[in-house]
Amino acid sequence: GENVEQHPSTLSVQEGDSAVIKCTYSDSASNYFPWYKQELGKRPQLIIDIRSNVGEKKDQRIAVTLNKTAKHFSLHITETQPEDSAVYFCAATTQGGSEKLVFGKGTKLTVNP
Amino acid sequence: GAVVSQHPSRVICKSGTSVKIECRSLDFQATTMFWYRQFPKQSLMLMATSNEGSKATYEQGVEKDKFLINHASLTLSTLTVTSAHPEDSSFYICSALLRLNSPLHFGNGTRLTVT
Repeated sequence: GENVEQHPSTLSVQEGDSAVIKCTYSDSASNYFPWYKQELGKRPQLIIDIRSNVGEKKDQRIAVTLNKTAKHFSLHITETQPEDSAVYFCAATTQGGSEKLVFGKGTKLTVNP
Repeated sequence: GAVVSQHPSRVICKSGTSVKIECRSLDFQATTMFWYRQFPKQSLMLMATSNEGSKATYEQGVEKDKFLINHASLTLSTLTVTSAHPEDSSFYICSALLRLNSPLHFGNGTRLTVT
């Protein structure tokens, strides 16, 4: 089955700096890679996703890159703000198949004002 | 956008009792729903996949007789934690799939505390 590794587990940055979170996956059949932001006690919120036919996707301050050959994908947040502080989870799944999301262990991002 | 409603948001029960958690898709029919469990400061772990009209598929290590899942309609799946123990205390989150190749939509989660 799929295994998703996520690093780092914690990340602290100064407001305005960039933050990068990296994930690797094991199943070469995985084709859909979403990123979720979860604030304490709340549901995960989808912030960006990428499919395996695309190498990069950007939405304002957030971008995701995917390297299918190396089986890793990364989340990039630029110009970080205190409200970006949360736990971020990467996930992988085989869409059109089981649709089961396998999550990474999460990264606690702290943006210091 | 698609909305998934989960109820209750919090529940406290005594050890040995059963608790039922409901997950509803409010504005779409969900052929597939997923149940996740999240312990404090940990990731979401998939417990089972619930398909309307058929038996749920449980992940390895999840006791199907303890965590009863019923997906009686295209808009409702329920998770019943039977004979709850303190170690079952966790955050349970459901998610629903609108259609294949679409993002998952999560419910707000249920904080279960077993005393």
